[in-house]
Amino acid sequence: DIQMTQSPSSLSASVGDRVTITCRASQDIGTHLAWFQQKPGKAPESLIFTASTLRSGVSPKFSGGGSGTDFTLTIASLQPEDFATYYCQQYFDYPITFGGGTRLEIK
Amino acid sequence: EVQLLEAGGGLVQPGGSLRLSCAASGFTFSVHYMDWVRQAPGKGLEWVGRIRHRASSFTTEYAASVKNRFTISRDESKKSLFLQMDNLQTEDTAVYYCVRVLGGGPGDYWGQGTLVTVSS
Repeated sequence: DIQMTQSPSSLSASVGDRVTITCRASQDIGTHLAWFQQKPGKAPESLIFTASTLRSGVSPKFSGGGSGTDFTLTIASLQPEDFATYYCQQYFDYPITFGGGTRLEIK
Repeated sequence: EVQLLEAGGGLVQPGGSLRLSCAASGFTFSVHYMDWVRQAPGKGLEWVGRIRHRASSFTTEYAASVKNRFTISRDESKKSLFLQMDNLQTEDTAVYYCVRVLGGGPGDYWGQGTLVTVSS
């Protein structure tokens, strides 16, 4: 199975900050990577697929990058609604696997 | 508007069975693969399995943790997705989400989830 490792597992930041979350795959997955945002008590929502393609309707302050084994999710100018948990997911091979999540908290 | 509405969750004893359903609307159900993803209380996301569409013969994939216990199916006429869960264990306790798949890749729309609790 492909292991997905996110870092950090938690992150404190302030409104207006720019933050970057990383996700590392245990083997080359090309750009078969997606990012999701989950707020407490809610279902996850899709942000990015194919590593860097923003889903329609998602704010351009979210950006994704990387290929192969190393990926990033960057959020520019944090707003209160951005404080949530973020997950990466590889869909290069079965079983599909998720990273452990990064909890973004207000400092 | 894409909508996915799960139902069928509840409390079941270890070793028991439960069948979840997901009613889809607002999109052409027949052309999409569909996933089930679960989330244990306070934990991260775990992919459960996938069913492809008719053109791919409704073939399925499963996580090792549920293979041979869970079965995914779909009813095109009812635009519904199902998850038959047998021999449930306490570690299967989770919120189960129905997810529409984009192309053959990641999920793009998620239902609100249904809670399954396995306990004696």
